[in-house]
Amino acid sequence: GENVEQHPSTLSVQEGDSAVIKCTYSDSASNYFPWYKQELGKRPQLIIDIRSNVGEKKDQRIAVTLNKTAKHFSLHITETQPEDSAVYFCACLGGYNKLIFGAGTRLAVHP
Amino acid sequence: DAGVIQSPRHEVTEMGQEVTLRCKPISGHNSLFWYRQTMMRGLELLIYFNNNVPIDDSGMPEDRFSAKMPNASFSTLKIQPSEPRDSAVYFCASSSRTGSLNEQFFGPGTRLTVL
Repeated sequence: GENVEQHPSTLSVQEGDSAVIKCTYSDSASNYFPWYKQELGKRPQLIIDIRSNVGEKKDQRIAVTLNKTAKHFSLHITETQPEDSAVYFCACLGGYNKLIFGAGTRLAVHP
Repeated sequence: DAGVIQSPRHEVTEMGQEVTLRCKPISGHNSLFWYRQTMMRGLELLIYFNNNVPIDDSGMPEDRFSAKMPNASFSTLKIQPSEPRDSAVYFCASSSRTGSLNEQFFGPGTRLTVL
């Protein structure tokens, strides 16, 4: 069945360091891979996404890489700031526009 | 556009009572999703609709849960009777299958507490 594994479940970094979150998926037909950020008490919001026709996408301090052969994709946050502290979810597109979400990574950025 | 609208934002009820959560998707979106989020179980997909038709309800935990989408601009998730273990944040999300647009937009959620 469709499945997404996300690691690590928690991540603690010092302000200014980089953070990397990794996900693997099982459905080789999936062609859309979004990342959502959920701050405490708020709704999940899309921060970046990538489609299978590209290998990397950047938006300021965040970047996502995709390896379709290995079926894994990663989120990279550089120069982390305290406001980056949140839960991050990876996802891949399943049938009928459904998103299969990973279990989430709780990122804490310490000043 | 106001985004996905959910009501109520908070609901506190007693065990055994019926609870109805409401969602208005973004205009023009034809896919609608109901999620439940708890600390223990994370973000769970309960049911989703495409063009108002339920596609997959395998995530609905029990027969106490039911969902409807009578038209393109309204959906409900009902729990009857409610139990304390149903306490969670329930999110509704919508997306469009038009072209290559797949982003799901989440509503603000309904925080349900069953005493």
